[in-house]
Amino acid sequence: NAGVTQTPKFRVLKTGQSMTLLCAQDMNHEYMYWYRQDPGMGLRLIHYSVGEGTTAKGEVPDGYNVSRLKKQNFLLGLESAAPSQTSVYFCASSYRGGYDEQYFGPGTRLTVT
Amino acid sequence: AQSVSQHNHHVILSEAASLELGCNYSYGGTVNLFWYVQYPGQHLQLLLKYFSGDPLVKGIKGFEAEFIKSKFSFNLRKPSVQWSDTAEYFCAVNANSGTYKYIFGTGTRLKVLA
Repeated sequence: NAGVTQTPKFRVLKTGQSMTLLCAQDMNHEYMYWYRQDPGMGLRLIHYSVGEGTTAKGEVPDGYNVSRLKKQNFLLGLESAAPSQTSVYFCASSYRGGYDEQYFGPGTRLTVT
Repeated sequence: AQSVSQHNHHVILSEAASLELGCNYSYGGTVNLFWYVQYPGQHLQLLLKYFSGDPLVKGIKGFEAEFIKSKFSFNLRKPSVQWSDTAEYFCAVNANSGTYKYIFGTGTRLKVLA
């Protein structure tokens, strides 16, 4: 099992550009999450999904959109990137949501100039 | 609103020293508690978790944590740290109330000197 994978690993964007981050899991988990990690702020939840076709807002959803068209994939989109979105993005999945541990991907380091 | 506090932001220890990292949460109901570790350049991985039962939980690599309900705390301990324990440690809480969200603390960066 590959676990949770993220594509790409690194990306540099210019202000105003758009991009999509892909998260894939092969553990048949129902729940998937996108976090951003910033120095001194820990992990903050951007959006999450409790199953295929569902999405919900987390703590810091502004400027991001998500889609969960297939159970194994959770996409995070930035429509118009801003320097404030420079961060490390982690995807995670879990089997039963808050009743289980989360499995994390390796992260995507995004720089917006 | 639920919150998780990790009061120690940076900790520096010598090898063989004992470790205790604090974690306090604000939620009056039943909680599920987790400690994750992030080694340099790697993704987060689970150290240990508490759902119910014995409040003293043992995890991987000699770590343990104690849930003290009256203090809303879930402190992480290790009797003797090693250089390889250098990492960032995150406490996370899920309120067992039907929400599927986890709240993470801001993390504690541990450096162990050889």
